[in-house]
Amino acid sequence: QSALTQPASVSGSPGQSITISCTGTSSDVGGYNYVSWYQQHSGKAPKLMIYEVSNRPSGVPDRFSGSKSGNTASLIISGLQAEDEADYYCSSYSSINSVVFGGGTKLTVL
Amino acid sequence: EVQLLESGGGLVHPGGSLRLSCAASGFTFSNFAMSWVRQAPGEGLEWVSDINGSGGNTYYADSVKGRFTISRDNSKNTLYLQMNSLRAEDSAVYYCARGRKVSDYWGQGTLVTVSS
Repeated sequence: QSALTQPASVSGSPGQSITISCTGTSSDVGGYNYVSWYQQHSGKAPKLMIYEVSNRPSGVPDRFSGSKSGNTASLIISGLQAEDEADYYCSSYSSINSVVFGGGTKLTVL
Repeated sequence: EVQLLESGGGLVHPGGSLRLSCAASGFTFSNFAMSWVRQAPGEGLEWVSDINGSGGNTYYADSVKGRFTISRDNSKNTLYLQMNSLRAEDSAVYYCARGRKVSDYWGQGTLVTVSS
């Protein structure tokens, strides 16, 4: 159950767009459309931002979007805002009946 | 409003046991799979275990298999995690979350510290 691979950090200025990648294998990200993205502010519980690759739960701004190509999923945040500064984690269902998370990406809004 | 409230964390010696609870409200508990996810201090999220709505199917991370047991009492709307043979590397905030492949609601977590 190896972790999915995410960049340790990304940054962007307010109003810009950023992309966070999440690379797995054909046994998880590439094999299923059960990729989720979670936002976690310091000291808080994770919050679901994207599910099933590209779906947004009610209440999540449409500035957040998701996609997948092969074994790599991506979270795109457009029109960056200060409140988007947080840690972001991807997760995927895995063929061994488990869930695997990425190592997390720290987003800094400059 | 969906609410998940964990309890049962604390300080335990290596080799000891703890039982975590997660009280759920605001939804039909038995209709949903539930998960435990942990986060060691300064580290990322790690899936620990999950259970289907009836409690008949359970799944575990290799790191806890044979030591942890997930269960649920649908009459009490409560999820449990029995943790035995605890190790220092089990120290973390433990979150319960609704769902299995997708976790749409999370509790605030309960801290487990394994130390002598």
